[in-house]
Amino acid sequence: DTAVSQTPKYLVTQMGNDKSIKCEQNLGHDTMYWYKQDSKKFLKIMFSYNNKELIINETVPNRFSPKSPDKAHLNLHINSLELGDSAVYFCASSQVGEALHFGNGTRLTVT
Amino acid sequence: AQTVTQSQPEMSVQEAETVTLSCTYDTSESDYYLFWYKQPPSRQMILVIRQEAYKQQNATENRFSVNFQKAAKSFSLKISDSQLGDAAMYFCAYRRPGTYKYIFGTGTRLKVLA
Repeated sequence: DTAVSQTPKYLVTQMGNDKSIKCEQNLGHDTMYWYKQDSKKFLKIMFSYNNKELIINETVPNRFSPKSPDKAHLNLHINSLELGDSAVYFCASSQVGEALHFGNGTRLTVT
Repeated sequence: AQTVTQSQPEMSVQEAETVTLSCTYDTSESDYYLFWYKQPPSRQMILVIRQEAYKQQNATENRFSVNFQKAAKSFSLKISDSQLGDAAMYFCAYRRPGTYKYIFGTGTRLKVLA
């Protein structure tokens, strides 16, 4: 009965490739997020969707494109991967006024 | 712009002792939400405690409690009777009502010594 699940857990790929990370939540939350955690553990918001509508789009390269087919799913597609994209990517969801519920993260390693 | 500051990159505590992790934030709002998250080596992000700014009473969850000083914009986390399983990164976070953005501090790594 996982609340926020993201796949894959680990992703190792070469520079220049395109990859996707999938996220699903079964909490009935309206809002979903992508956060990036760098090697210094700093958590930075990338995108947020509320009821399938993009509401937060931080300064992120155009190579990153989120997609929300419905309010329970938020995917992240990354084109032309670069070494600097190596990080842990967290999906999260929330309801108004409540805490963020995180997935277990996807560790992306670009070689 | 709102910011969240955790001035202690690393802290250590002896098992069974008490430790306090500090967090300060900058906001001009009177109502907001504050959170503490724990990230163990498994990298899961686990909610520890949540505080609503309009509530004067400090939130408590078992061995975890906060000292919320609204005027000072301070939100420290106290861990009592520290256990080895408390070793983790701890993040303080802020959210303003009516917005969807959660802003995180840079984290404090807590080591628990046996």
